[in-house]
Amino acid sequence: GNSVTQMEGPVTLSEEAFLTINCTYTATGYPSLFWYVQYPGEGLQLLLKATKADDKGSNKGFEATYRKETTSFHLEKGSVQVSDSAVYFCALSDLGSARQLTFGSGTQLTVLP
Amino acid sequence: NAGVTQTPKFRVLKTGQSMTLLCAQDMNHEYMYWYRQDPGMGLRLIHYSVGEGTTAKGEVPDGYNVSRLKKQNFLLGLESAAPSQTSVYFCASSLTGSNQPQHFGDGTRLSIL
Repeated sequence: GNSVTQMEGPVTLSEEAFLTINCTYTATGYPSLFWYVQYPGEGLQLLLKATKADDKGSNKGFEATYRKETTSFHLEKGSVQVSDSAVYFCALSDLGSARQLTFGSGTQLTVLP
Repeated sequence: NAGVTQTPKFRVLKTGQSMTLLCAQDMNHEYMYWYRQDPGMGLRLIHYSVGEGTTAKGEVPDGYNVSRLKKQNFLLGLESAAPSQTSVYFCASSLTGSNQPQHFGDGTRLSIL
């Protein structure tokens, strides 16, 4: 079956530091890949997505590139802000039944001023 | 923009009690999902629906039932609550087109004593 392995947290960075959160996946087909963000007390929000190999998703300064050869979708941001503190989830969507999402376990990011 | 609305936001139950969680979406989405979120485990799919009148089991369906009598509503029922069902429950919905992201509600925090 499908699975997503995500870098374990928590991750603590100073403001303006570079961020990388690793994500690798296992899937039988050609899934779509997503990063979701969850702020305290809220539901998940889509951060970015990529639907085929070598696609780069980007939003709010975050980027991730769909690497089929390494089955990875690492999240990066060049300069984090305090407001980026949240839990980040990597997920994949199987184009099969109902496009069910398979989630990683989440990475808690705390950015200190 | 209401999006996905979950009711209630918090609830405390005693073991053996029953309750229903309501999810409503105003985006005319065909697909709807119920997840549970537990520490260190990401989100796990309980049940989902691909359209009005249809439901299907996800990864962790035991102890839960669902109904989708109207397209905009997706109900999650606990017939006899158990402490293991203490969790945060999220509802999501999506369009049917390929690679469409899921839109999440803000969650229901449920404690079973």
